[in-house]
Amino acid sequence: GAGVSQTPSNKVTEKGKYVELRCDPISGHTALYWYRQSLGQGPEFLIYFQGTGAADDSGLPNDRFFAVRPEGSVSTLKIQRTERGDSAVYLCASSLIPRDGYTFGSGTRLTVV
Amino acid sequence: GEDVEQSLFLSVREGDSSVINCTYTDSSSTYLYWYKQEPGAGLQLLTYIFSNMDMKQDQRLTVLLNKKDKHLSLRIADTQTGDSAIYFCAELGNDYKLSFGAGTTVTVRA
Repeated sequence: GAGVSQTPSNKVTEKGKYVELRCDPISGHTALYWYRQSLGQGPEFLIYFQGTGAADDSGLPNDRFFAVRPEGSVSTLKIQRTERGDSAVYLCASSLIPRDGYTFGSGTRLTVV
Repeated sequence: GEDVEQSLFLSVREGDSSVINCTYTDSSSTYLYWYKQEPGAGLQLLTYIFSNMDMKQDQRLTVLLNKKDKHLSLRIADTQTGDSAIYFCAELGNDYKLSFGAGTTVTVRA
C-alpha cells in the first residue's frame, strides 16, 4: 500500500477483555515497529520485527502483550486481560532502511473502560 | 523517552522563525530525526541528520547538530499556521530503535 495502515482507528473495550490491533506496513518494508503513545508523551518502543521474527521485544510491558508477523508483512498486536492503564494510542511503523526513518501509521486509539 | 529531552511548549508569531531544541544522551546515536504530529494523526518524518554532520537545510527547515554537547535544534523559517503541531526529536541507536522525546507543542499565533 501507499502508506502504513492501522485498523481499527479506534477501539473501546471493557477491562479484562482481549483485543487485537492490526498493522499493514508499506509493501516491501522488512522492518516493522510497534510503539505506544500515552497522552502528552512521546512514543515508547514496544517491539521490532525484522521479517517474520521479533528482533527485539524488550519494550513489551508484561506478558499480557504479544505481537506476531507470521508472513513478514501484516502484524497483529494482541493484548490479553486489558487494563485501564493500557489505554493509549498504539502506533505502527515500517522501514526498509532504518536510517532513512520510519513511516508511521495513524495509530489505533485504545480505550479500556 | 527518558534519554531525549525537549522543552514542552513554544509560541511563535506567524512569519517569525521557530527554534525547537532537543538534547540527547546516547553518544552512539548515528542518526537524529525530527517528526511532526498533527492532532489525531500519526507522526510525519520532517528531516533527519547523520551524526557526522553539523547542519542540514531543507527548504524552510534547518537542522543544527552539536555533537559535543549532544544538542539538536530545528529551525522553521517563516512559520505558518499550518506549522502548529507537536514536534518530536528522536535518536536512532545501534539497536535500530528510535527513542523519542516528549514533544514540543508549537502554537503559531496571528
